[in-house]
Amino acid sequence: DQQVKQNSPSLSVQEGRISILNCDYTNSMFDYFLWYKKYPAEGPTFLISISSIKDKNEDGRFTVFLNKSAKHLSLHIVPSQPGDSAVYFCAALSGGGADGLTFGKGTHLIIQP
Amino acid sequence: EPEVTQTPSHQVTQMGQEVILRCVPISNHLYFYWYRQILGQKVEFLVSFYNNEISEKSEIFDDQFSVERPDGSNFTLKIRSTKLEDSAMYFCASSKARTNQETQYFGPGTRLLVL
Repeated sequence: DQQVKQNSPSLSVQEGRISILNCDYTNSMFDYFLWYKKYPAEGPTFLISISSIKDKNEDGRFTVFLNKSAKHLSLHIVPSQPGDSAVYFCAALSGGGADGLTFGKGTHLIIQP
Repeated sequence: EPEVTQTPSHQVTQMGQEVILRCVPISNHLYFYWYRQILGQKVEFLVSFYNNEISEKSEIFDDQFSVERPDGSNFTLKIRSTKLEDSAMYFCASSKARTNQETQYFGPGTRLLVL
């Protein structure tokens, strides 16, 4: 049962352009969403988060958009840089008192020079 | 910047053996977590720990698993009798509070291989 879905296993973007990573969820109890970035042989690194009471959160080159009615969120990276090449995970937390994050399978972002 | 550390980075063990994975959470954090990622699959929540007791556990966290905070700095995951399917990356994480107030920060992971 995939409660958090990242339907694109990989995405290739040219350096300097915008990268858009998408995530869909099915559980209406999710009220907090996070994006993590992961390099091989390292742990997930927190990037940015958004609460369900907001529809946008911005931090430097990273912006997360949340569309609650569509149960969809996206991460925009602009401009994309070579160091952004990594696997990006969408994660969600239930407002029902759960502690554990539910992760998507990840999208491998490749920034091409 | 403070970070979560984990030891060992790699562990190879024989099926049926006990393993202990160690983590040092960020010092002022109060919530601790273990996750695992089987090769090619997504990161899965195992257990959370707060105030010296388990706060939440997933269905994966069965009787062969246990967690402990033996002193003021370490947080351990014990697998009593390892199975082949326990082979995975195990990540420790910590947060100041529950995640919808504070972010979970992850360690670099321990790669466990059960032969």
